[in-house]
Amino acid sequence: DVKVTQSSRYLVKRTGEKVFLECVQDMDHENMFWYRQDPGLGLRLIYFSYDVKMKEKGDIPEGYSVSREKKERFSLILESASTNQTSMYLCASSPGQGTRGYTFGSGTRLTVV
Amino acid sequence: QKEVEQNSGPLSVPEGAIASLNCTYSDRGSQSFFWYRQYSGKSPELIMFIYSNGDKEDGRFTAQLNKASQYVSLLIRDSQPSDSATYLCAVKESGAGSYQLTFGKGTKLSVIP
Repeated sequence: DVKVTQSSRYLVKRTGEKVFLECVQDMDHENMFWYRQDPGLGLRLIYFSYDVKMKEKGDIPEGYSVSREKKERFSLILESASTNQTSMYLCASSPGQGTRGYTFGSGTRLTVV
Repeated sequence: QKEVEQNSGPLSVPEGAIASLNCTYSDRGSQSFFWYRQYSGKSPELIMFIYSNGDKEDGRFTAQLNKASQYVSLLIRDSQPSDSATYLCAVKESGAGSYQLTFGKGTKLSVIP
């Protein structure tokens, strides 16, 4: 089975902190994605990457950056955490042209206080 | 803006009944369609995908696709309380080099014992 691992299940950070969310997949998938999920708003795409060193902005990239130095790892960075970034963060990966859908990680529930 | 629309529910059905979940999409060129199940506090899990018009069955689940009408549905036969979850419809975007999925906001299903 494809496994997508997110480093933390729950995280509490203070306003202004720099926050790193890590995601690692073990099935050699080309494509990786970061979403946030909020009640009533559904899944919103933050950033995605189709290859190592490649990154593209999604629908809500403001306040975030990403890094993909190795194929299996896609990191999401909150440059200066704010309370409106309190959310569930979901990492996903997919192979090839994405016709098999995504596999999601277990999610990180981030609370910024 | 590509959109995927779902009735948010909640949809309540008695145990043993058929649950019918519907989804419409705006991208006429889409070719790949997915249903995810998401339990409360957990990440989405892929349960079905469909590419061709018609029905696709997998156990108690049947996905139906009608590209001309741009809708996808999921039928759950013999519904069980363990099927209570939010069901997300996802559509792979058309267009060269696009491997993203567009998600609906989900329909919450409640199966009453």
